Amino acid sequence: DAGVTQSPTHLIKTRGQQVTLRCSPKSGHDTVSWYQQALGQGPQFIFQYYEEEERQRGNFPDRFSGHQFPNYSSELNVNALLLGDSALYLCASSSTGGSYNEQFFGPGTRLTVL
Amino acid sequence: AQSVTQLGSHVSVSEGALVLLRCNYSSSVPPYLFWYVQYPNQGLQLLLKYTSAATLVKGINGFEAEFKKSETSFHLTKPSAHMSDAAEYFCAVSDPGNNRLAFGKGNQVVVIP
Repeated sequence: DAGVTQSPTHLIKTRGQQVTLRCSPKSGHDTVSWYQQALGQGPQFIFQYYEEEERQRGNFPDRFSGHQFPNYSSELNVNALLLGDSALYLCASSSTGGSYNEQFFGPGTRLTVL
Repeated sequence: AQSVTQLGSHVSVSEGALVLLRCNYSSSVPPYLFWYVQYPNQGLQLLLKYTSAATLVKGINGFEAEFKKSETSFHLTKPSAHMSDAAEYFCAVSDPGNNRLAFGKGNQVVVIP
């Protein structure tokens, strides 16, 4: 079992650019959540996808958008990048029939905006 | 909305000494509670979870936590610190009907030889 995988591991962009991050969930999981972890902070919930739809959203602007594919993998898109978007982006997967909201995290994508 | 408070961003502990990390939560419903550990340049690994069964929860690597409803707390302990325990630790809360996690700011644990 490969667990949750994310790509790329690191990314450098400049202000105003757009970025796409990718996530493959753990085998058997159908729900993907995305979190932003700024330096020295705890992860903040961005949004969650289930059945190819956004089911929940945290307090993030519309510049943050996502997608879930039929194979349950997911993308996070960020438009018009700001310096403050520099962070570690974590993907977590879970199963709707699973145990007590337990989420499994990937290693993250480190985004640096210059 | 749920929230978590972790005080003391950096915690230093001597090797072999007790590790105690404090977590207080706020939730309008009986919550699920979690402790995660994050090693440098890695994602989050679940240490243990409370899901309304036993109030004393045992996790991996010798860690345990006790849910105290009256104190709205879920403190993490380990009797004897090991060098490999140096990492960042996050407490998180979830509403059972709402599969999203709210994290505290974390505790960076340093183990002194």
